[in-house]
Amino acid sequence: NAGVTQTPKFRVLKTGQSMTLLCAQDMNHEYMYWYRQDPGMGLRLIHYSVGEGTTAKGEVPDGYNVSRLKKQNFLLGLESAAPSQTSVYFCASSSGLAGFETQYFGPGTRLLVL
Amino acid sequence: GESVGLHLPTLSVQEGDNSIINCAYSNSASDYFIWYKQESGKGPQFIIDIRSNMDKRQGQRVTVLLNKTVKHLSLQIAATQPGDSAVYFCAENIRSGNTPLVFGKGTRLSVIA
Repeated sequence: NAGVTQTPKFRVLKTGQSMTLLCAQDMNHEYMYWYRQDPGMGLRLIHYSVGEGTTAKGEVPDGYNVSRLKKQNFLLGLESAAPSQTSVYFCASSSGLAGFETQYFGPGTRLLVL
Repeated sequence: GESVGLHLPTLSVQEGDNSIINCAYSNSASDYFIWYKQESGKGPQFIIDIRSNMDKRQGQRVTVLLNKTVKHLSLQIAATQPGDSAVYFCAENIRSGNTPLVFGKGTRLSVIA
């Protein structure tokens, strides 16, 4: 049982490049989330999903897109990366049995946009 | 959550002493609260949670206290160890609501050996 895994662990992009971050969970969780974390800041929710095929915007959705084609995977896309998107990205999941509740986090993806 | 800027509040504690980390939550309707621990280079880990029908909940070496009157949450760590050094986040939620957890900005705990 690996929990929540994220791919890649680290990436460097040039401004304007695109990339997709992959999150996978093996806990059969309904809900999945993408956060970004900047120095000295808490976790800011980008997008989330309450089930396969559904997505919703979080606090800071601009510049990102997501897809939840399979229950176990949640993809975060950057279509045209900007230096302001340099951050550490965390994926999380929760069971959804009682609404939004305890989330389990992945190890993070460090993204540097030059 | 806490209103802080670029620098996290830091708590320095001597090894073996007790630590108290505080969190002021924002929504009086919140009825579910969680504490997370984040070690350097890792994702946040669940520590303990509490529902609003409780004032106190204990785990292994940790206790969470909830004061709904002043919208205050605290995490107490007994006999603090070097491995407790991390950033601690509180999170709040309305369980019957339709919105995800809201995280505070965190407090850095530094344990002095």
